[in-house]
Amino acid sequence: DAKTTQPNSMESNEEEPVHLPCNHSTISGTDYIHWYRQLPSQGPEYVIHGLTSNVNNRMASLAIAEDRKSSTLILHRATLRDAAVYYCILRSRPPYTGANSKLTFGKGITLSVRP
Amino acid sequence: NAGVTQTPKFQVLKTGQSMTLQCAQDMNHEYMSWYRQDPGMGLRLIHYSVGAGITDQGEVPNGYNVSRSTTEDFPLRLLSAAPSQTSVYFCASSYSVPSGGYTFGSGTRLTVV
Repeated sequence: DAKTTQPNSMESNEEEPVHLPCNHSTISGTDYIHWYRQLPSQGPEYVIHGLTSNVNNRMASLAIAEDRKSSTLILHRATLRDAAVYYCILRSRPPYTGANSKLTFGKGITLSVRP
Repeated sequence: NAGVTQTPKFQVLKTGQSMTLQCAQDMNHEYMSWYRQDPGMGLRLIHYSVGAGITDQGEVPNGYNVSRSTTEDFPLRLLSAAPSQTSVYFCASSYSVPSGGYTFGSGTRLTVV
């Protein structure tokens, strides 16, 4: 599996934007970039995914570099509830028929939000 | 509510005991998987299934068995519990061609003494 590299931790202020970086220099042309987050004492939660173009949903935006070797998860206005571990994961394109169905988690970025 | 349901939420076992962690989903997802998470670490894949009757090993399968007799259920069996299996266990499911991602359960916190 192609590997991702994330900082161990980041801090932000409440109601300010947060940019969470992820490097994936060995990404293949068919790998999707997925982001999950895990709130304290909860299971991971899907946030967003993309292939080449920037993506937006109700939770966040995903900005993907033109060469696809890095990406940034953008939380437009951080709230205290956004304090979590954020995982950047590469996943091969569907359909998932076997080993490519699984997610490989790293240690993620621990985001702290200051009131 | 649609989602992934794990039971029990908490369990204490004695070394050598066996038990089954239950996982059920009502979203008709083809894929289901089990992860464990140890303190300060990311999630590690134990076993996964791409459909009823089909299972395969993940990264850390030793000491665990699974079966998938129905689309909805994917139980995880601990054959002879060991203290090293103390962990939080998460079950997850997704479609084979996802419009989104995996849906995770809320976890089972297992302590083996």
